[in-house]
Amino acid sequence: DSGVTQTPKHLITATGQRVTLRCSPRSGDLSVYWYQQSLDQGLQFLIQYYNGEERAKGNILERFSAQQFPDLHSELNLSSLELGDSALYFCASSPGQGFYEQYFGPGTRLTVT
Amino acid sequence: GNSVTQMEGPVTLSEEAFLTINCTYTATGYPSLFWYVQYPGEGLQLLLKATKADDKGSNKGFEATYRKETTSFHLEKGSVQVSDSAVYFCALRNRDDKIIFGKGTRLHILP
Repeated sequence: DSGVTQTPKHLITATGQRVTLRCSPRSGDLSVYWYQQSLDQGLQFLIQYYNGEERAKGNILERFSAQQFPDLHSELNLSSLELGDSALYFCASSPGQGFYEQYFGPGTRLTVT
Repeated sequence: GNSVTQMEGPVTLSEEAFLTINCTYTATGYPSLFWYVQYPGEGLQLLLKATKADDKGSNKGFEATYRKETTSFHLEKGSVQVSDSAVYFCALRNRDDKIIFGKGTRLHILP
């Protein structure tokens, strides 16, 4: 158990809908990272937050957004969902920025029908 | 840009066989290198890491050596077990803090 929690575990929704994925980092960790794992694209970095502020952006679509709240939990919002958004979404956390180990949560499996 | 290339799977071995999963990388500067493992139905776990050239990371019988001259970080284990069946990801992290993953190699160990 990494100490990172993600909810929900599974989510099934229809095209065009909007969903919110939630991540609680390990106690004391200030950085949260979001990754997408899909069959065709593999595992890709989406976005990073550090202590409430966006710090780095990867291959995140404009239909996706994220935020980190004062209690340090983070939410990833996915809107206007398409079939291709079906994937495993992982959250990771680390104590700070730089060369700290990232601890991964168990993931949320999103299925868009 | 930064990238990681690892051998495609699946790799199927018998128990107690020797394992090598090849990984090469392209990066500017001096990245840190990682192997992550994903067991069925679970998230990623850090297996081992190396932060500079010639460092050897090791854990649970797995080893990998950071080879700058060949830009490689091959994963090895002398005697695999059925419980090692999983997907293995080679990854790098540079100063921008993002982790770049390879596509993963699925490993099946037969009893």
